[in-house]
Amino acid sequence: EPEVTQTPSHQVTQMGQEVILRCVPISNHLYFYWYRQILGQKVEFLVSFYNNEISEKSEIFDDQFSVERPDGSNFTLKIRSTKLEDSAMYFCASRLGLAGAEENEQFFGPGTRLTVL
Amino acid sequence: RKEVEQDPGPFNVPEGATVAFNCTYSNSASQSFFWYRQDCRKEPKLLMSVYSSGNEDGRFTAQLNRASQYISLLIRDSKLSDSATYLCVVTLLYNFNKFYFGSGTKLNVKP
Repeated sequence: EPEVTQTPSHQVTQMGQEVILRCVPISNHLYFYWYRQILGQKVEFLVSFYNNEISEKSEIFDDQFSVERPDGSNFTLKIRSTKLEDSAMYFCASRLGLAGAEENEQFFGPGTRLTVL
Repeated sequence: RKEVEQDPGPFNVPEGATVAFNCTYSNSASQSFFWYRQDCRKEPKLLMSVYSSGNEDGRFTAQLNRASQYISLLIRDSKLSDSATYLCVVTLLYNFNKFYFGSGTKLNVKP
């Protein structure tokens, strides 16, 4: 069964460093998302991406964040200068996105745990 | 005001029990509704979509009440493996670019 993959599974970085989190969405999906979940808190929407551009972003997704789809398979989230409060689990998700209820399901990757020291 | 609100629980029930969760949403333009389950430190996984007429999948039944702006999830004959956090997810009319997650309701099924 196709699945969303994410690398690395755990990233440890120093405050102020740049990190790039990588995701490979399901191959025929058209919509891509990044979410974060701080330990013990809810899943928070960061950004959605379609047709090589950002569709929507939340207040959390400030100038320190950027997304890219550098080739036909990868979808990346970059944090330019990490802060302590960026420590969280980051989930990538993808959605097929055609008409119909089933096509609106999001499939999540296993997440990258980011720890900022 | 939160877009999606859930009772955090935990709901502690014995195996075989029936348990129900509710979730309220604030935006009347909300159009699509989902229940996801999340195991500890794992990714959310879709349990079921919620359709206007209500829908059932085995032991799980989802209902939508647009007038009162809530959705519900009923689990019959609870299994130990049902222990997880259940997330209510909502998206607005035609805008599948942003999904709103509730904080989740924790379920513990005891032997």
